[in-house]
Amino acid sequence: AQTVTQSQPEMSVQEAETVTLSCTYDTSENNYYLFWYKQPPSRQMILVIRQEAYKQQNATENRFSVNFQKAAKSFSLKISDSQLGDTAMYFCAFMRPRTDKLIFGTGTRLQVFP
Amino acid sequence: NAGVTQTPKFRILKIGQSMTLQCTQDMNHNYMYWYRQDPGMGLKLIYYSVGAGITDKGEVPNGYNVSRSTTEDFPLRLELAAPSQTSVYFCASSYDGGSSSYEQYFGPGTRLTVT
Repeated sequence: AQTVTQSQPEMSVQEAETVTLSCTYDTSENNYYLFWYKQPPSRQMILVIRQEAYKQQNATENRFSVNFQKAAKSFSLKISDSQLGDTAMYFCAFMRPRTDKLIFGTGTRLQVFP
Repeated sequence: NAGVTQTPKFRILKIGQSMTLQCTQDMNHNYMYWYRQDPGMGLKLIYYSVGAGITDKGEVPNGYNVSRSTTEDFPLRLELAAPSQTSVYFCASSYDGGSSSYEQYFGPGTRLTVT
């Protein structure tokens, strides 16, 4: 069975600085999808970024980028130029194709300080 | 375009009571899901549906039932509520278009307390 591990329960960063959130996963599949979701205090789940395992290039969305290391089964999220609005819980998630079922990690609470 | 809507937003139930959490999506998505989020934890899949008339169990289905009579609606039924079902419940939907992004769109959640 697939598992997702986020080993950092809490992180903090100063505004405008860069922070990296860690995620590792366990699977025997070769093709799959990985996601980072943001959950602000409003509780709404918001997709931040996604990565297809067959793509070697790391995904980037504006200030958000990932470091995808397939052999190491690692999928970290880098937030550049952190903003106060980035304060939220961040969840890493795994999906095996043709199942569309997401498996979530336990989350990392990120606090951005002015 | 409302996306995924859930009602109610909050509910307090007594042990043994029953209730239905409503979920509706207006994006014509085939796939719909119910997750629960316990305090300090990630989301866990309760039930999912790949289309009208088809449902299947997820990781934590015990104590719940679902039905999918239309593409738009996917209600979650709690029978004989227990304190262990105190949680935040999220409904989500996605398009199964094969080459799609597999992105799931989430509703705003329902906070349920069973006392």
